[in-house]
Amino acid sequence: KNEVEQSPQNLTAQEGEFITINCSYSVGISALHWLQQHPGGGIVSLFMLSSGKKKHGRLIATINIQEKHSSLHITASHPRDSAVYICAVGNTGNQFYFGTGTSLTVIP
Amino acid sequence: GAVVSQHPSRVICKSGTSVKIECRSLDFQATTMFWYRQFPKKSLMLMATSNEGSKATYEQGVEKDKFLINHASLTLSTLTVTSAHPEDSSFYICSAGAPTSGSLKQFFGPGTRLTVL
Repeated sequence: KNEVEQSPQNLTAQEGEFITINCSYSVGISALHWLQQHPGGGIVSLFMLSSGKKKHGRLIATINIQEKHSSLHITASHPRDSAVYICAVGNTGNQFYFGTGTSLTVIP
Repeated sequence: GAVVSQHPSRVICKSGTSVKIECRSLDFQATTMFWYRQFPKKSLMLMATSNEGSKATYEQGVEKDKFLINHASLTLSTLTVTSAHPEDSSFYICSAGAPTSGSLKQFFGPGTRLTVL
């Protein structure tokens, strides 16, 4: 069993739809990251959070420490949001665990 | 937020050559840097952890003589893939850690795509 589970693995949405990607983890963490990887491979750090909720533009990330669950939401999705979204958790021992990613395709 | 850069972003080399990838923390001092490798259709896997001024700690199965890591300063770590072969083609990502309030915050670099012909 992986320490970090993401769902769904693949997601196709129409432009404008509200999108949610989920991440569940089984280890104690100091921080959770959401990363975006575009088709060329480049990684962009979207959020790092250890509690509550963060918002940046059309992106919102939430985390529930008690339930060991985080969600990444994209409002008013756009084709340029098409990418792989990776959830990563770091524990207090500085170990990192990565989800296998969610491949998002937004259709115009 | 903190920025971590990697150079080059893409590199293509011939089999048998060595390739150096740099990871820099641009606006903070990174006491610890991590190197990851991403295999096709799989998630990132930790290769090694490097602390400034000391030898890197390699994960099981990672050849230390093949993947040389140097953390010469608090803002720079390098990964050298020696005598590269096609199976070394991959996406390599570094992250830099900065101690903050007793914990380590990590910031990811954008990654380097290595293609070995």
